Amino acid sequence: DTGVSQDPRHKITKRGQNVTFRCDPISEHNRLYWYRQTLGQGPEFLTYFQNEAQLEKSRLLSDRFSAERPKGSFSTLEIQRTEQGDSAMYLCASSQVRVTNTGELFFGEGSRLTVL
Amino acid sequence: DAKTTQPTSMDCAEGRAANLPCNHSTISGNEYVYWYRQIHSQGPQYIIHGLKNNETNEMASLIITEDRKSSTLILPHATLRDTAVYYCIVRYNFNKFYFGSGTKLNVKP
Repeated sequence: DTGVSQDPRHKITKRGQNVTFRCDPISEHNRLYWYRQTLGQGPEFLTYFQNEAQLEKSRLLSDRFSAERPKGSFSTLEIQRTEQGDSAMYLCASSQVRVTNTGELFFGEGSRLTVL
Repeated sequence: DAKTTQPTSMDCAEGRAANLPCNHSTISGNEYVYWYRQIHSQGPQYIIHGLKNNETNEMASLIITEDRKSSTLILPHATLRDTAVYYCIVRYNFNKFYFGSGTKLNVKP
């Protein structure tokens, strides 16, 4: 499968613990995005990378959240000191931005976080 | 990015055309209209996009009004597998997409 893959698919943790999610984008894609989705809502933008550079962060991304994309390939999203309000689906997407296309996003299946 | 307005839910009979409307009255001249759908527990899936002209692909057709303030996604022959939440997104440049709450399409036998 050459699509966007996310790991783990499901994570249950206790409040106060740290969690890390990994995203492997489609190999030739230079952009990588993280979104969060809560029940009944559409995905909310968190941050995105152009290669290894993090170009924008949403105000939803509190200081407990950190995302990295070393070497411009896979990305990790870490949440420190988790709170029950962090329970959500965390979606990763990638795109290839060229002059000849409009860079539509390809999403992974998501990582569902439950904070007890 | 321009905001979009979609009905919360719609029903469609299997085999009939599903027409999903979207209002984007604040759209600017260089903003594209995108449609994605999300089947339960899966990531959103790209359907189609357009700027000014109507577009068609193997999944759907996109009709954009002449003033570009609204659009309609058409699934010509809806099947049960088309039951999903459909998102209309207006996007400027390549930076990010903003999703609203979408339309829950229920295709019924």
